[in-house]
Amino acid sequence: NAGVTQTPKFQVLKTGQSMTLQCAQDMNHNSMYWYRQDPGMGLRLIYYSASEGTTDKGEVPNGYNVSRLNKREFSLRLESAAPSQTSVYFCASSVRDNYGYTFGSGTRLTVV
Amino acid sequence: DAKTTQPPSMDCAEGRAANLPCNHSTISGNEYVYWYRQIHSQGPQYIIHGLKNNETNEMASLIITEDRKSSTLILPHATLRDTAVYYCIVRTGANNLFFGTGTRLTVIP
Repeated sequence: NAGVTQTPKFQVLKTGQSMTLQCAQDMNHNSMYWYRQDPGMGLRLIYYSASEGTTDKGEVPNGYNVSRLNKREFSLRLESAAPSQTSVYFCASSVRDNYGYTFGSGTRLTVV
Repeated sequence: DAKTTQPPSMDCAEGRAANLPCNHSTISGNEYVYWYRQIHSQGPQYIIHGLKNNETNEMASLIITEDRKSSTLILPHATLRDTAVYYCIVRTGANNLFFGTGTRLTVIP
């Protein structure tokens, strides 16, 4: 049982390049989330998907787009990467509100 | 969502109970208290959550005061593997966990 799987684990981008971070969960969870964590700070919500077919902005959505491809997969896209987007990105899922979240192991992104 | 206040760091001797406090004085009646931890740079790990009653599971106990303005996470017998940053979070059903900067717990041999 893999839980939440994120790919890639590491990525270096040049300013202006685009990329998509992939996230998949095998727990049949309804809700999925993307967070970013900057050094020495807590996690901040970028986007979330309460259920298949819906997405909503979180605290820091600018510069990102998301797609809830199906119940299992929730991708995060950077259209034009900027150095300020250098961070560790975590995907999470939960069966529904008021239940614990399961997090992936993170994607470490550096934009130069 | 209510915000939380936690001490930035704490030490605990191996084998002793670790008691991690959290203040959430602006919590509202329908907000749950959650605890997560993050070991090194891994993804956060869910520990426990509660609304008003004390809770216990295989990892920890959660004690919530009667007025719900504060809570304490108790790790009954801390091990070196419990060294981590512990986050106290309150939320509604609004699909967001607000992570502050947490408490860095160091378990000392």
